[in-house]
Amino acid sequence: AQTVTQSQPEMSVQEAETVTLSCTYDTSESDYYLFWYKQPPSRQMILVIRQEAYKQQNATENRFSVNFQKAAKSFSLKISDSQLGDAAMYFCAYRRPTGGGADGLTFGKGTHLIIQP
Amino acid sequence: DTGVSQDPRHKITKRGQNVTFRCDPISEHNRLYWYRQTLGQGPEFLTYFQNEAQLEKSRLLSDRFSAERPKGSFSTLEIQRTEQGDSAMYLCASSTGGVGKLFFGSGTQLSVL
Repeated sequence: AQTVTQSQPEMSVQEAETVTLSCTYDTSESDYYLFWYKQPPSRQMILVIRQEAYKQQNATENRFSVNFQKAAKSFSLKISDSQLGDAAMYFCAYRRPTGGGADGLTFGKGTHLIIQP
Repeated sequence: DTGVSQDPRHKITKRGQNVTFRCDPISEHNRLYWYRQTLGQGPEFLTYFQNEAQLEKSRLLSDRFSAERPKGSFSTLEIQRTEQGDSAMYLCASSTGGVGKLFFGSGTQLSVL
């Protein structure tokens, strides 16, 4: 079974600084998808960024970028120029390729990100 | 696009009672997912539908749980004979299929006393 591990229960960063959230996963698949979701106090999960395992290029979405290391099974999220609105729980998630049966996401336990003004 | 809507937002019930939650997905989304999230944990997959067909159920979905999606529109999740361990937030999400972006609702927080 796939597992997703987030080893940082909480991280704190000064506003405008850069922070990196860590995620490792375990799978025997060669093709899969990885995601970072944000869950603010409103509880609604919001997709931050997505990475396809077959793509070597790291995904980027504005201030958010990932460092995808397939051999190491590592998928970290870098947030540049941190803003107060970035404060939330961040979840790393794994998904098997389509047609593989399990369609649901496997989530890590999350990292609580605090932005200090 | 009004987003994914879940009702109720909070539910308090006594152990042994039955509860039902509703999820209204984004109208053009054919896939609908249910997840459970307990305190300090990430969401755990429960089940998903493609249109009205329930295509997968997690081992977490015991026989006290049942989900339906009649006519491929809204979905209901029913828990019979609730137990204190069922206390959690139940999240619904929808997507257009494939590995599309999942849109989540704000969840239903269940407390079993």
